[in-house]
Amino acid sequence: EIVLTQSPGTLSLSPGERATLSCRASQSVSSSYLAWYQQKPAQAPRLLIYGASNRATGIPDRFSGSGSGTDFTLTISRLEPEDFAVYYCQQYGGSPGTFGGGTKVEIK
Amino acid sequence: QLQLQESGPALVKPSETLSLTCTVSGGSISSTTSFWGWIRQPPGKGLEWIGSVYYNGNTYYNTTLRSRVTISVDTSRNQFSLKLTSVTAADTAVYYCARLPTQWLPDRYYLDYWGQGTLVTVSS
Repeated sequence: EIVLTQSPGTLSLSPGERATLSCRASQSVSSSYLAWYQQKPAQAPRLLIYGASNRATGIPDRFSGSGSGTDFTLTISRLEPEDFAVYYCQQYGGSPGTFGGGTKVEIK
Repeated sequence: QLQLQESGPALVKPSETLSLTCTVSGGSISSTTSFWGWIRQPPGKGLEWIGSVYYNGNTYYNTTLRSRVTISVDTSRNQFSLKLTSVTAADTAVYYCARLPTQWLPDRYYLDYWGQGTLVTVSS
């Protein structure tokens, strides 16, 4: 199974700053089948990005995804107060689908 | 707008069976372009696939849980269900139901609609 490693574990930033989150796969993710989710406390994960770079319905354009192969990135161009949360990546190019351990974006 | 809602007991005794139901509204569970899945998240930890089901009853299970898991679908009620047998404290988690917008990849795919989740605690 493909293991996803997210870094950093915690990112401390201020509103308005740029956030760059990394997701590295133990082997190449075929077809760039990688998704990103946002999870706030006591809420379900929310799909942000699928296919490595496609924004889900209703997701603001300050969220963008990039990457291929084994290295993927989620970028939040300017952090809004509601963006402080935990972010998970998920690969669905290999069986079974697997999730990363998460990156917490906290207010500095 | 598609909505999913989990229901079931919040407390299950060790060695017993965990049973949850997910009710789908705002759309049909008989959609030919969707699988319906269960995912869990132990307190303070990450996400784990449990399995998924198609409207015709075809299922996929995580290999680590396969011997204890059954997922079924009831199209007349627009519901699908999870049963996990012989539970232990390690099965304590928030259980989510969700939709996979695919008819081809039941053991993976992204999840675009999620229920709010339900915490199930395994304890005597």
